[in-house]
Amino acid sequence: EAQVTQNPRYLITVTGKKLTVTCSQNMNHEYMSWYRQDPGLGLRQIYYSMNVEVTDKGDVPEGYKVSRKEKRNFPLILESPSPNQTSLYFCASKRFNEQFFGPGTRLTVL
Amino acid sequence: AQKVTQAQTEISVVEKEDVTLDCVYETRDTTYYLFWYKQPPSGELVFLIRRNSFDEQNEISGRYSWNFQKSTSSFNFTITASQVVDSAVYFCALSEARDTDKLIFGTGTRLQVFP
Repeated sequence: EAQVTQNPRYLITVTGKKLTVTCSQNMNHEYMSWYRQDPGLGLRQIYYSMNVEVTDKGDVPEGYKVSRKEKRNFPLILESPSPNQTSLYFCASKRFNEQFFGPGTRLTVL
Repeated sequence: AQKVTQAQTEISVVEKEDVTLDCVYETRDTTYYLFWYKQPPSGELVFLIRRNSFDEQNEISGRYSWNFQKSTSSFNFTITASQVVDSAVYFCALSEARDTDKLIFGTGTRLQVFP
């Protein structure tokens, strides 16, 4: 089944403790991206990647890092999480003009 | 600048009522794509429709219909005979042909359908 998977789905952590949210797609898509969703703001793009080893900032990249060492994986790294990064995170991969979203990761930073 | 506006933050209806969710967009591109997504309480994003700027035909899919009007830069979504299962947050989104990698979302409309 074609899908985008994210792990973990839920995470509660504390300020400053490094974490990684994994994202994987099995559709061989070149393009992948990360969004965060906040109440009243919709979804905003954090980072995107056009292909392996090619990444670029979206609209809200501060406090995040990404890497794209393999086509299927696009992890989101929070080196020193802060409470303002509490949010719902979505990974997506894209083919032509359609984006396929993962199930979301709900992150709480205390 | 590209922008998507969903002015209705929250709508409440009673089952079987028809409801229209508004979406107004701004873009300088002549070629662009419009989308609607549904986010049920479980949180995932469910793709509903994609429409390109050259196709102004309205679309109907079961109880769902979409009205695309370039003259008013609107892409409204109507649910006919709403059901409780339609309760969700609905997002309208835009991507431009010059940068299809970027999806610009509206802030969403929360629809509550009461029995």
